[in-house]
Amino acid sequence: NSKVIQTPRYLVKGQGQKAKMRCIPEKGHPVVFWYQQNKNNEFKFLINFQNQEVLQQIDMTEKRFSAECPSNSPCSLEIQSSEAGDSALYLCASSLSRNTLYFGEGSRLIVV
Amino acid sequence: DAKTTQPDSMESTEGETVHLPCSHATISGNEYIYWYRQVPLQGPEYVTHGLQQNTTNSMAFLAIASDRKSSTLILTHVSLRDAAVYHCILRVAGTGYQNFYFGKGTSLTVIP
Repeated sequence: NSKVIQTPRYLVKGQGQKAKMRCIPEKGHPVVFWYQQNKNNEFKFLINFQNQEVLQQIDMTEKRFSAECPSNSPCSLEIQSSEAGDSALYLCASSLSRNTLYFGEGSRLIVV
Repeated sequence: DAKTTQPDSMESTEGETVHLPCSHATISGNEYIYWYRQVPLQGPEYVTHGLQQNTTNSMAFLAIASDRKSSTLILTHVSLRDAAVYHCILRVAGTGYQNFYFGKGTSLTVIP
């Protein structure tokens, strides 16, 4: 069973709606990654954090997504205005450093 | 761009040994080879990793070619629970942007 907890497991949004996903990293893990996995099983890195600070993020994340990892609260990834192409499995992973990543079960977003 | 190449699918019979290949011809000296596996409706699960030497754990044996341009994940006595998509991943040591490069993965089918 995964020790990285992601909620919700599924969400359905209309185009233009906000979509928010949450992640509780494994206890004691300061590093958090978000990935998008499409229907072809391809992964796209979105953003990563060390404690509350953003380490790296791609352009798409910077423009249309917002993400944060506040202290003592779940991390979150929010799509400001959902598009059909955003339909995917969003995976959160945590790590003690940048070594082995431990993944949650994911949040599956369907944009209709 | 994907940095690893894996067959799309492979098939094995319960109790057999299966060899899952991965090609990474452009691997850098500071990149580790990681293997994860993923079943439907779940996030990827860590299997093993290595840099240069072959490694083994309770889940699998990882054989790394001497030139490091390919690797093989070896699963012995496979069971139905080993049916999954196996991802071969390169990870840059130290600081880095998008420091996990995921391949498409190999879908392993296990026949009873």
